[in-house]
Order: sequence, then structure tokens, then C-alpha cells
Amino acid sequence: EPEVTQTPSHQVTQMGQEVILRCVPISNHLYFYWYRQILGQKVEFLVSFYNNEISEKSEIFDDQFSVERPDGSNFTLKIRSTKLEDSAMYFCAIGQDSYGYTFGSGTRLTVV
Amino acid sequence: GQQLNQSPQSMFIQEGEDVSMNCTSSSIFNTWLWYKQDPGEGPVLLIALYKAGELTSNGRLTAQFGITRKDSFLNISASIPSDVGIYFCAGLDWEYGNKLVFGAGTILRVKS
Repeated sequence: EPEVTQTPSHQVTQMGQEVILRCVPISNHLYFYWYRQILGQKVEFLVSFYNNEISEKSEIFDDQFSVERPDGSNFTLKIRSTKLEDSAMYFCAIGQDSYGYTFGSGTRLTVV
Repeated sequence: GQQLNQSPQSMFIQEGEDVSMNCTSSSIFNTWLWYKQDPGEGPVLLIALYKAGELTSNGRLTAQFGITRKDSFLNISASIPSDVGIYFCAGLDWEYGNKLVFGAGTILRVKS
């Protein structure tokens, strides 16, 4: 059973629509991360979340993005108004301490 | 910003051959990680290196954390078809927070 489950595995959305990507870690963790990977490119950091607040974010993570843990277990990434260039694989990662990164299998987001 | 240069970009080798890939950086990292990514999946951690000079093995995989803390290599001995995938190095520097910086990846193809 994977440590991190991401849903949906694939989402197609129209440009301008809001999407919510979900991550469910199996056990309690302190650190949560979102990364993205545009097709054929390297994995890029978006945001880190510790103690129920954002601890760091990249330039990619602009006002269109937000993260939260609505119920203490799910970890979500919301994109308010999707753009074509948001099409990518989005990976959630967890860590019990800052060294241990486990990635989920990702959500493939396609914006049309 | 921090960047990792990973080489080679791709390799097409005969089954049974040894493989070597490496990552270099102009800046120092405190931790080096090597991941493998299969198509449509998230990165899976292969080896983590925490100390300069550290040499660590995981089965047929061996990785080293360079003495200068600016480079790392990964070797795969006696390659098999299931070694096919994309291999990423990733670095972590606490002065830049707890986010991973990824290399561009090495695509490995194995001919049986």
C-alpha cells in the first residue's frame, strides 16, 4: 500500500476553471510538499507546508495557487483559474523529518 | 538560483553492462538523493546521502556524495531490463530551505 495516495490520477479541465488536487498520506507526517513536472522536464518545487502553514514557496506558486489541510489528514493543492501552462504532473511528497521525502504517484493535470 | 547539471541526458546500453551517471552543482548541498521515475509514476527514492564523502550501496546501485559537496554519482552494476526509467539526482541545502532541487534526469534504456 503506497504511503501517499493522490487523487485524481488524471484530471482534464477547461482553461479558467478551478481544480483541487488531493493528497492523502497513510500516516502522520510533519512536512508536506507539492512539486510539479511539466512533460519531459525536471521536477520543480512548488510549496512546502509545515505545522499547518506554508513554510516556503517557489516563484511558480503565485496567487492562483493555494494549499491547505482541511481535515488534518488530506492535503490539497488548489489552482483557482487554470492556464494552459499549468498542464503537468503534480506530485505530493511527505516527510517525517526534512530528510525523508516520499512522493505520491502524481496527478496528471491537462488544461484544454 | 540553485541548479544541478546531470549527465548524461540519456543512455542506451546492453543488458549486463554497468552504468554511471553524475550530477554537479556550482553550490554546496547538504544532502544528495537519487530517484528513479517510471512512466506515469512519481519519483521513487533509491539512495540518500547525508555526508560528504559518503559511499552508499543499495543492491546493484552505488552512490557517492562528493567531498566538495558539489557533486554526486550513481552507478548501476550489471544492468537488467527493469532498470529502464528516468534517474534524477536531487539536492537539499538547508540555507535555501527544505526544498529539493532536481537535476534534469538521465533516461536509461536497456537492450536485452
